[in-house]
Amino acid sequence: DGGITQSPKYLFRKEGQNVTLSCEQNLNHDAMYWYRQDPGQGLRLIYYSQIVNDFQKGDIAEGYSVSREKKESFPLTVTSAQKNPTAFYLCASKSGASPAEQYFGPGTRLTVT
Amino acid sequence: GQQLNQSPQSMFIQEGEDVSMNCTSSSIFNTWLWYKQDPGEGPVLLIALYKAGELTSNGRLTAQFGITRKDSFLNISASIPSDVGIYFCAGQVNAGGTSYGKLTFGQGTILTVHP
Repeated sequence: DGGITQSPKYLFRKEGQNVTLSCEQNLNHDAMYWYRQDPGQGLRLIYYSQIVNDFQKGDIAEGYSVSREKKESFPLTVTSAQKNPTAFYLCASKSGASPAEQYFGPGTRLTVT
Repeated sequence: GQQLNQSPQSMFIQEGEDVSMNCTSSSIFNTWLWYKQDPGEGPVLLIALYKAGELTSNGRLTAQFGITRKDSFLNISASIPSDVGIYFCAGQVNAGGTSYGKLTFGQGTILTVHP
């Protein structure tokens, strides 16, 4: 089955700790994205990557970092510099053949206390 | 930055009723997408619209790309309990003939269907 996997589904961390969220896709998609979702709000773009070894900041990149060493993987690190890290994080991917259609993973709910 | 205003924010309907929701923007978008999100899950793509005036159906769902390119509409006919969820519109502007696929999302419409 082709798709996007995110792990873990739920993640708990203490304030001040960095945490890395996993995103893997076997759709052979070129582009990958990370979004943050807060209650009652739409999705906001954190980082995106169009090709391996290249990534760009989105609208709310402060306090986050990413890497794209493999086409299939786009991990997101939430650093201690992120002032309000508790949120639902969604990873998405898009084929280079499609201008717009992004497909999402199941999400990771991060709680920082 | 670009913003999408989605309305209504929430809807409570009886099973079997039709549903309409819309998304408006102060700026032009070249692509409109509609997604549905179940609680605690990732959004699922329902319909993609690429041409102004386009009307596209997916089962009981019908979406339209507004002529002005500043709005889009989603209709659900004969609602059923599994239609419950949050519906998001998303727009994309292709700048200069290239696109990295950046989407701008509306705030979502929460749909509740009473059996």
